[in-house]
Amino acid sequence: NAGVTQTPKFQVLKTGQSMTLQCAQDMNHNSMYWYRQDPGMGLRLIYYSASEGTTDKGEVPNGYNVSRLNKREFSLRLESAAPSQTSVYFCASSDRTGANTEAFFGQGTRLTVV
Amino acid sequence: AQSVAQPEDQVNVAEGNPLTVKCTYSVSGNPYLFWYVQYPNRGLQFLLKYITGDNLVKGSYGFEAEFNKSQTSFHLKKPSALVSDSALYFCAVRDRRTGFQKLVFGTGTRLLVSP
Repeated sequence: NAGVTQTPKFQVLKTGQSMTLQCAQDMNHNSMYWYRQDPGMGLRLIYYSASEGTTDKGEVPNGYNVSRLNKREFSLRLESAAPSQTSVYFCASSDRTGANTEAFFGQGTRLTVV
Repeated sequence: AQSVAQPEDQVNVAEGNPLTVKCTYSVSGNPYLFWYVQYPNRGLQFLLKYITGDNLVKGSYGFEAEFNKSQTSFHLKKPSALVSDSALYFCAVRDRRTGFQKLVFGTGTRLLVSP
Protein backbone atom coordinates (compact mmCIF):
# COMPACT_ATOMS: atom_id res chain seq x y z
CA ASN A 1 0.00 0.00 0.00
CA ALA A 2 2.32 2.75 -1.30
CA GLY A 3 -0.03 5.78 -1.10
CA VAL A 4 1.77 8.81 -2.56
CA THR A 5 5.29 8.28 -3.87
CA GLN A 6 7.65 11.12 -4.67
CA THR A 7 11.01 10.97 -6.38
CA PRO A 8 13.73 11.95 -5.80
CA LYS A 9 13.99 12.40 -2.02
CA PHE A 10 16.96 14.75 -2.25
CA GLN A 11 18.38 16.88 -5.05
CA VAL A 12 21.04 19.55 -5.44
CA LEU A 13 20.86 21.74 -8.53
CA LYS A 14 22.99 24.53 -9.85
CA THR A 15 21.29 27.81 -10.69
CA GLY A 16 19.80 27.60 -14.17
CA GLN A 17 19.53 23.82 -14.29
CA SER A 18 16.20 22.14 -14.88
CA MET A 19 14.60 19.13 -13.26
CA THR A 20 11.29 17.34 -12.85
CA LEU A 21 9.89 16.10 -9.57
CA GLN A 22 7.78 13.00 -9.99
CA CYS A 23 4.68 12.06 -8.01
CA ALA A 24 2.40 9.04 -8.27
CA GLN A 25 -0.57 7.91 -6.20
CA ASP A 26 -2.29 4.55 -6.12
CA MET A 27 -5.50 5.55 -4.32
CA ASN A 28 -7.51 6.43 -7.45
CA HIS A 29 -7.83 10.03 -6.30
CA ASN A 30 -9.01 12.70 -8.70
CA SER A 31 -7.21 15.67 -7.11
CA MET A 32 -3.47 16.12 -6.82
CA TYR A 33 -1.38 18.96 -5.42
CA TRP A 34 2.14 20.31 -5.24
CA TYR A 35 3.23 22.34 -2.21
CA ARG A 36 6.44 23.87 -1.04
CA GLN A 37 7.35 24.16 2.63
CA ASP A 38 9.62 26.90 3.87
CA PRO A 39 10.39 27.85 7.49
CA GLY A 40 7.80 30.26 8.85
CA MET A 41 5.74 30.10 5.65
CA GLY A 42 3.88 26.85 6.16
CA LEU A 43 2.79 24.93 3.09
CA ARG A 44 2.14 27.04 0.04
CA LEU A 45 0.20 25.65 -2.90
CA ILE A 46 2.14 25.76 -6.17
CA TYR A 47 -0.25 24.03 -8.56
CA TYR A 48 -3.16 21.66 -8.27
CA SER A 49 -5.07 19.35 -10.56
CA ALA A 50 -8.73 18.65 -9.90
CA SER A 51 -8.86 15.84 -12.43
CA GLU A 52 -6.89 14.22 -15.22
CA GLY A 53 -6.22 16.75 -17.95
CA THR A 54 -6.75 19.87 -15.82
CA THR A 55 -4.29 21.98 -13.86
CA ASP A 56 -4.62 25.29 -12.03
CA LYS A 57 -2.28 27.76 -10.41
CA GLY A 58 -2.02 27.96 -6.67
CA GLU A 59 -0.48 30.68 -4.51
CA VAL A 60 3.11 30.54 -5.81
CA PRO A 61 3.20 29.18 -9.39
CA ASN A 62 5.94 31.39 -10.85
CA GLY A 63 8.98 29.42 -11.99
CA TYR A 64 7.15 26.11 -12.11
CA ASN A 65 5.21 24.03 -14.60
CA VAL A 66 3.14 20.90 -14.05
CA SER A 67 1.80 17.98 -16.02
CA ARG A 68 -1.03 15.70 -15.06
CA LEU A 69 0.13 12.80 -17.15
CA ASN A 70 -2.74 10.52 -16.17
CA LYS A 71 -4.89 9.96 -13.13
CA ARG A 72 -1.98 8.52 -11.15
CA GLU A 73 0.84 10.91 -11.95
CA PHE A 74 1.41 14.63 -11.43
CA SER A 75 4.86 16.05 -12.14
CA LEU A 76 6.42 19.39 -11.21
CA ARG A 77 9.08 20.94 -13.44
CA LEU A 78 11.58 23.65 -12.68
CA GLU A 79 12.77 24.98 -16.03
CA SER A 80 15.56 27.21 -14.72
CA ALA A 81 16.20 26.67 -11.03
CA ALA A 82 16.89 29.65 -8.77
CA PRO A 83 18.18 29.73 -5.18
CA SER A 84 14.75 31.02 -4.10
CA GLN A 85 13.37 27.64 -5.08
CA THR A 86 15.39 25.90 -2.38
CA SER A 87 12.67 24.25 -0.35
CA VAL A 88 11.00 21.01 0.61
CA TYR A 89 8.39 19.98 -1.94
CA PHE A 90 5.39 17.84 -1.12
CA CYS A 91 2.96 16.12 -3.41
CA ALA A 92 -0.50 15.18 -2.17
CA SER A 93 -3.68 13.59 -3.46
CA SER A 94 -7.30 13.42 -2.36
CA ASP A 95 -10.88 13.10 -3.40
CA ARG A 96 -12.49 16.48 -3.91
CA THR A 97 -15.85 15.97 -2.25
CA GLY A 98 -17.62 13.25 -0.35
CA ALA A 99 -16.45 11.38 2.67
CA ASN A 100 -12.78 11.05 1.75
CA THR A 101 -11.61 14.59 1.17
CA GLU A 102 -8.53 14.47 3.36
CA ALA A 103 -5.25 14.69 1.48
CA PHE A 104 -2.51 12.08 1.64
CA PHE A 105 1.05 13.30 1.38
CA GLY A 106 4.27 11.97 0.00
CA GLN A 107 7.47 12.02 2.06
CA GLY A 108 8.80 15.12 0.37
CA THR A 109 11.70 16.15 -1.86
CA ARG A 110 14.40 18.30 -0.31
CA LEU A 111 15.74 20.54 -3.08
CA THR A 112 18.76 22.77 -2.76
CA VAL A 113 19.67 25.22 -5.52
CA VAL A 114 23.21 26.57 -5.33
CA ALA B 1 -9.70 34.13 -1.44
CA GLN B 2 -9.76 31.31 1.03
CA SER B 3 -7.20 31.56 3.79
CA VAL B 4 -6.24 30.07 7.12
CA ALA B 5 -4.59 31.79 10.07
CA GLN B 6 -2.70 30.09 12.87
CA PRO B 7 -1.89 32.96 15.21
CA GLU B 8 0.65 31.13 17.38
CA ASP B 9 4.03 30.07 16.04
CA GLN B 10 4.57 27.88 19.08
CA VAL B 11 2.50 26.49 21.93
CA ASN B 12 4.15 25.19 25.08
CA VAL B 13 2.33 22.88 27.47
CA ALA B 14 3.30 20.51 30.26
CA GLU B 15 2.62 16.82 29.89
CA GLY B 16 -0.79 15.91 31.30
CA ASN B 17 -2.24 19.38 30.80
CA PRO B 18 -4.87 20.20 28.19
CA LEU B 19 -3.68 21.74 24.94
CA THR B 20 -5.26 24.03 22.37
CA VAL B 21 -3.86 24.98 18.99
CA LYS B 22 -5.78 27.81 17.37
CA CYS B 23 -7.01 28.14 13.79
CA THR B 24 -9.28 30.68 12.10
CA TYR B 25 -10.36 30.65 8.49
CA SER B 26 -11.80 32.85 5.79
CA VAL B 27 -13.96 31.35 3.03
CA SER B 28 -17.21 31.92 1.18
CA GLY B 29 -19.90 29.56 2.32
CA ASN B 30 -19.42 26.45 4.37
CA PRO B 31 -15.88 25.13 4.49
CA TYR B 32 -14.26 21.77 4.75
CA LEU B 33 -11.67 22.01 7.57
CA PHE B 34 -8.72 19.78 8.39
CA TRP B 35 -5.90 19.32 10.88
CA TYR B 36 -2.61 17.65 9.99
CA VAL B 37 0.51 16.84 12.00
CA GLN B 38 4.09 16.73 10.81
CA TYR B 39 6.93 15.01 12.63
CA PRO B 40 10.55 15.91 11.82
CA ASN B 41 11.66 14.98 8.30
CA ARG B 42 8.29 13.44 7.52
CA GLY B 43 5.29 14.21 5.36
CA LEU B 44 2.00 15.44 6.78
CA GLN B 45 -0.37 13.04 8.48
CA PHE B 46 -4.12 13.58 8.64
CA LEU B 47 -5.61 14.03 12.15
CA LEU B 48 -9.24 14.99 11.70
CA LYS B 49 -11.73 16.87 9.55
CA TYR B 50 -14.99 18.77 9.66
CA ILE B 51 -17.28 18.39 6.65
CA THR B 52 -20.75 18.75 8.07
CA GLY B 53 -22.79 17.68 11.08
CA ASP B 54 -21.60 17.80 14.69
CA ASN B 55 -19.41 20.78 15.47
CA LEU B 56 -17.14 18.68 17.68
CA VAL B 57 -15.11 16.21 15.68
CA LYS B 58 -12.82 13.55 17.08
CA GLY B 59 -9.71 12.30 15.37
CA SER B 60 -6.55 10.30 15.75
CA TYR B 61 -4.38 10.07 18.91
CA GLY B 62 -7.08 11.56 21.17
CA PHE B 63 -7.28 14.90 19.37
CA GLU B 64 -10.52 16.73 18.76
CA ALA B 65 -11.54 20.03 17.20
CA GLU B 66 -14.55 22.28 17.47
CA PHE B 67 -16.02 24.04 14.45
CA ASN B 68 -17.39 27.46 15.40
CA LYS B 69 -19.09 29.11 12.45
CA SER B 70 -19.79 32.44 14.14
CA GLN B 71 -16.14 32.84 15.12
CA THR B 72 -14.85 31.17 11.95
CA SER B 73 -12.59 29.00 14.07
CA PHE B 74 -11.54 25.37 14.19
CA HIS B 75 -9.30 24.99 17.23
CA LEU B 76 -7.49 21.71 17.87
CA LYS B 77 -7.69 20.33 21.41
CA LYS B 78 -6.56 17.44 23.53
CA PRO B 79 -7.53 16.89 27.17
CA SER B 80 -4.13 15.57 28.29
CA ALA B 81 -0.95 16.25 26.33
CA LEU B 82 1.82 13.72 25.82
CA VAL B 83 5.50 14.42 25.16
CA SER B 84 5.07 12.43 21.95
CA ASP B 85 2.51 15.02 20.75
CA SER B 86 5.38 17.46 20.18
CA ALA B 87 5.30 18.21 16.46
CA LEU B 88 4.25 20.79 13.87
CA TYR B 89 0.49 21.15 13.39
CA PHE B 90 -1.24 22.55 10.33
CA CYS B 91 -4.81 23.69 9.82
CA ALA B 92 -6.22 23.58 6.25
CA VAL B 93 -9.41 24.58 4.44
CA ARG B 94 -11.33 23.85 1.26
CA ASP B 95 -13.74 26.50 -0.02
CA ARG B 96 -17.12 25.68 -1.52
CA ARG B 97 -16.71 28.66 -3.86
CA THR B 98 -13.82 26.95 -5.68
CA GLY B 99 -15.72 23.67 -5.75
CA PHE B 100 -13.55 22.43 -2.91
CA GLN B 101 -10.73 22.01 -5.39
CA LYS B 102 -8.05 24.03 -3.61
CA LEU B 103 -6.63 22.87 -0.29
CA VAL B 104 -4.97 25.79 1.49
CA PHE B 105 -2.84 25.50 4.63
CA GLY B 106 -1.95 27.80 7.48
CA THR B 107 1.62 28.59 8.46
CA GLY B 108 1.74 25.93 11.15
CA THR B 109 2.06 25.88 14.94
CA ARG B 110 4.87 24.08 16.70
CA LEU B 111 3.63 22.23 19.79
CA LEU B 112 6.19 21.55 22.48
CA VAL B 113 5.10 19.30 25.35
CA SER B 114 7.51 19.26 28.27
CA PRO B 115 7.84 16.31 30.64
